[in-house]
Amino acid sequence: DIQMTQSPSSLSASVGDRVTITCRASQSISRYLNWYQQKPGKAPKLLIYAASSLQSGVPSRFSGSGSGTDFTLTISSLQPEDFATYYCQQSYSTLYTFGQGTKLEIK
Amino acid sequence: EVQLVQSGAEVKKPGESLRISCKGSGYRFSSYWISWVRQMPGKGLEWVGRIDPSDSYTSYSPSFQGHVTISADKSISTAYLQWSSLKASDTAMYYCARVIVAAGINSFDPWGQGTLVTVSS
Repeated sequence: DIQMTQSPSSLSASVGDRVTITCRASQSISRYLNWYQQKPGKAPKLLIYAASSLQSGVPSRFSGSGSGTDFTLTISSLQPEDFATYYCQQSYSTLYTFGQGTKLEIK
Repeated sequence: EVQLVQSGAEVKKPGESLRISCKGSGYRFSSYWISWVRQMPGKGLEWVGRIDPSDSYTSYSPSFQGHVTISADKSISTAYLQWSSLKASDTAMYYCARVIVAAGINSFDPWGQGTLVTVSS
């Protein structure tokens, strides 16, 4: 299996901050990397696919970058509704795997 | 609107069988794989497996192979996840998700609302 490791596991930030979450794959996955947002009690929502493409309807303050083994999700200016848990997922292998999640909390 | 609607919460005893469902609407059901994802209480997302509704070909995570069965009935646009003998450790929220292809890459969108499975004696 391809292992996905996110860092940090949790992060405290304030409204208006710029935050970056990192995801590392155990082997090269080219750009086969997706990011999801999950709010408490809700299903996950696709934010970014193919490492850097914004899903329709997702605010432009979200961006993704990277290829190979190292990827980042950046939120340029945190809004109150962005406090949630974020997961990366590889789809290089159809035995899809997720990172362990990064919980973004209000400082 | 593309939607996946899952069956309701279940409470079962260890050793019992269970089948939960995921009904798609707003798109051609047989044209997209459906994946199932487990989320144990307070934990992260784990991919369980997926099915191609057009031919019922399935693929499973090694962690779940042999313990669950995924099936689909394309005539009613519904996918299923089933257990023949539940364990307490199967207690979790289970999500279904449509597998889409964009920029040549698979991703999951949308997701069902989730089905909470509780296994307790």
